[in-house]
Amino acid sequence: NAGVTQTPKFQVLKTGQSMTLQCAQDMNHEYMSWYRQDPGMGLRLIHYSVGAGITDQGEVPNGYNVSRSTTEDFPLRLLSAAPSQTSVYFCASSYSAGVSYEQYFGPGTRLTVT
Amino acid sequence: AQSVTQLGSHVSVSEGALVLLRCNYSSSVPPYLFWYVQYPNQGLQLLLKYTTGATLVKGINGFEAEFKKSETSFHLTKPSAHMSDAAEYFCALYSSASKIIFGSGTRLSIRP
Repeated sequence: NAGVTQTPKFQVLKTGQSMTLQCAQDMNHEYMSWYRQDPGMGLRLIHYSVGAGITDQGEVPNGYNVSRSTTEDFPLRLLSAAPSQTSVYFCASSYSAGVSYEQYFGPGTRLTVT
Repeated sequence: AQSVTQLGSHVSVSEGALVLLRCNYSSSVPPYLFWYVQYPNQGLQLLLKYTTGATLVKGINGFEAEFKKSETSFHLTKPSAHMSDAAEYFCALYSSASKIIFGSGTRLSIRP
């Protein structure tokens, strides 16, 4: 199993550009989520999905869109990039949304918006 | 509201010394608590978790944590630090509606 994969590893965008961060998992996990990590702030939940076709907002959803058309993929779209979105983005998945299930994290995407 | 507070953004210990990373939580319902570790340029991986039952939880790589309800704490310890333990450690709390709340992280450095 590849686990959770994320592409790209690094990205530089100009303010106002849009892009999609890709996330895929091959573990048949129902639950997937996106976090951003900023220095001194830990990880903050952007959006999450409890299954194909179902998404919901997390703590910091503004400026981001998600969709979940398949169990495997959970892309994160930046609609119009802003410097405040400079961060490291992590995708995670788990078998189910319950507390008993461990979350598996991808290696991250480091995004810089100039 | 639920929250997680990690005391100390950076902890430095000598190799072979005790590691103690502090975590306090606030929750109006019985908490489910986690410790995750992040090695440089990698994603997070689960060290250990407390759901119910025994309050002393053992994890991977010799780490353990004790849930203390009276102190609202879930501190992470390891008796003897190893150079390979240098990483960032996150305490986390399972919230309602399928969400996990992370603390701000503690960077652990090991001195030779």
